[in-house]
Amino acid sequence: AQSVAQPEDQVNVAEGNPLTVKCTYSVSGNPYLFWYVQYPNRGLQFLLKYITGDNLVKGSYGFEAEFNKSQTSFHLKKPSALVSDSALYFCAVRDVNNNNDMRFGAGTRLTVKP
Amino acid sequence: DTAVSQTPKYLVTQMGNDKSIKCEQNLGHDTMYWYKQDSKKFLKIMFSYNNKELIINETVPNRFSPKSPDKAHLNLHINSLELGDSAVYFCASSQDLRAASPLHFGNGTRLTVT
Repeated sequence: AQSVAQPEDQVNVAEGNPLTVKCTYSVSGNPYLFWYVQYPNRGLQFLLKYITGDNLVKGSYGFEAEFNKSQTSFHLKKPSALVSDSALYFCAVRDVNNNNDMRFGAGTRLTVKP
Repeated sequence: DTAVSQTPKYLVTQMGNDKSIKCEQNLGHDTMYWYKQDSKKFLKIMFSYNNKELIINETVPNRFSPKSPDKAHLNLHINSLELGDSAVYFCASSQDLRAASPLHFGNGTRLTVT
């Protein structure tokens, strides 16, 4: 089955600094990759996706992600973090071998300190 | 104007009881899902429905039964509740089953079994 991994449980950054939340993938064929954010007591919100084309994908709230085929990575980035970006972030992949099931990583908790 | 709404938000019940969670989406999407999020925030797909046909059943106990009266609704009925069923259950929808379609989530139902 296709899968994603998020190697960091927790990421801490200072407000105004750039942030990176890491994700690596394992797929056969072309990957369909997504990032979602979850705020406390809320459902997941879609941020961005990579299907094909440019390796740098821009999404909601100033986030972007860089697809790197050689490193099988899809890291989420933002040039300048806000305290309000503090949340749980999930990387996900469509498992094209299993009915396009959306499979999620374990999540990374981002804390942005003032 | 909630896109995916589920009720109730909280559900506290005793072992052995039967309960239902309702979900409705007003996005005109063809596909709906149920996900379970455990205490460690790990997300696991339970079911998906595409045009009222069950597509995925990820080894979920048969005490759990999805019911879809129409394309906009996917309810989850749980029989003989067990302590291990305590979790947050999320309903989601996507435009269709294509790999490029992101998921749109409801805000979850926190189920506590005592």
